[in-house]
Amino acid sequence: KAGVTQTPRYLIKTRGQQVTLSCSPISGHRSVSWYQQTPGQGLQFLFEYFSETQRNKGNFPGRFSGRQFSNSRSEMNVSTLELGDSALYLCASSFGTLYEQYFGPGTRLTVT
Amino acid sequence: QKEVEQDPGPLSVPEGAIVSLNCTYSNSAFQYFMWYRQYSRKGPELLMYTYSSGNKEDGRFTAQVDKSSKYISLFIRDSQPSDSATYLCAMPKSLMNRDDKIIFGKGTRLHILP
Repeated sequence: KAGVTQTPRYLIKTRGQQVTLSCSPISGHRSVSWYQQTPGQGLQFLFEYFSETQRNKGNFPGRFSGRQFSNSRSEMNVSTLELGDSALYLCASSFGTLYEQYFGPGTRLTVT
Repeated sequence: QKEVEQDPGPLSVPEGAIVSLNCTYSNSAFQYFMWYRQYSRKGPELLMYTYSSGNKEDGRFTAQVDKSSKYISLFIRDSQPSDSATYLCAMPKSLMNRDDKIIFGKGTRLHILP
């Protein structure tokens, strides 16, 4: 069966702009989580959506937001981009747990 | 003290050797322990997860949890060059599906030398 897909795969933005990333989970999965991965901080949890509701949230500023649609697809938005937001953004889906998640290939965001 | 610590490596071992990858953690409330493999420029791939203490085996991979020492291990038998990747351990902070978050180790880079 098809895995988690993310679009776009690569993105270049300038400081102050906003960006929206998209994630399509594995068919049947209702939980989508978002992560930021950087060389310095590693993989950090942003938030999790389950049945269109944000269920868990990591320690990121309010500039990072997300939503989930009725078909479980999810979007993540980052407003007022900063240079430090350059990272690989990963989404992962599961039936509903955090311990059995499957990751997508990621979107590499570069902020200049 | 960091909640999850993992030696970044790199760890270089000859093909066919047994590899041991480890993480330590500080929160005794952790119950689930996961191992992910990440190839360069790819997303992490779930290898296996274990619940509480004990061992779990899947093919050439064995995960071991020692809750008394707050120490988890992943063993790879008969290592292959294709096992060269970064291995990350991860733990959800609680069993509740609310106010939860998942903590990842920084990852250990593994090189299997042909």
